[in-house]
Amino acid sequence: GAGVSQTPSNKVTEKGKYVELRCDPISGHTALYWYRQSLGQGPEFLIYFQGTGAADDSGLPNDRFFAVRPEGSVSTLKIQRTERGDSAVYLCASSFGPTNEQFFGPGTRLTVL
Amino acid sequence: RKEVEQDPGPFNVPEGATVAFNCTYSNSASQSFFWYRQDCRKEPKLLMSVYSSGNEDGRFTAQLNRASQYISLLIRDSKLSDSATYLCVVNDDSGTYKYIFGTGTRLKVLA
Repeated sequence: GAGVSQTPSNKVTEKGKYVELRCDPISGHTALYWYRQSLGQGPEFLIYFQGTGAADDSGLPNDRFFAVRPEGSVSTLKIQRTERGDSAVYLCASSFGPTNEQFFGPGTRLTVL
Repeated sequence: RKEVEQDPGPFNVPEGATVAFNCTYSNSASQSFFWYRQDCRKEPKLLMSVYSSGNEDGRFTAQLNRASQYISLLIRDSKLSDSATYLCVVNDDSGTYKYIFGTGTRLKVLA
């Protein structure tokens, strides 16, 4: 079956611009997570959705970052006024329930020039 | 101190060698533990879960020591295809079930 998909696969933007990153979880998965992975590091948690609600957004670095999941399926991570330090791979993961294995998408590689 | 610590490597080993990775975690309330494998420029994929009793999957053996708060992964008879980064993952089951990753240990198996 289809896995987690993310679009775009690559995004190059200029400092100060706004970007949206999209995640399509595995069908039927209620839990959805966003992580960020910088070069040479492991992924770092950003935000967790259970259904439509953000159950834990403690990993979002600041108020420039926001995420939504309005219908409990697709999620969009939004970054305002991008900075060079936002450059990283943004990974989305979904699971059937919060205690089940998380399946990761291929990520969006964001480069802020 | 990082919540999950791993030696970043790289570990360069010849084919057929046995190699072991360790990982320590700081939150004693952690409940679930995993090893994920990540190939270059790819997403992490679950290699195996780690249980207190220890578990084996073919050439791979994982162990958990709750008292010392460390997790290990042993790979026997290394193959070239085992070359990857191995991520130690802890899930604290606090309600979020978010994964906390180590930095990963790079393994290169040499012909």
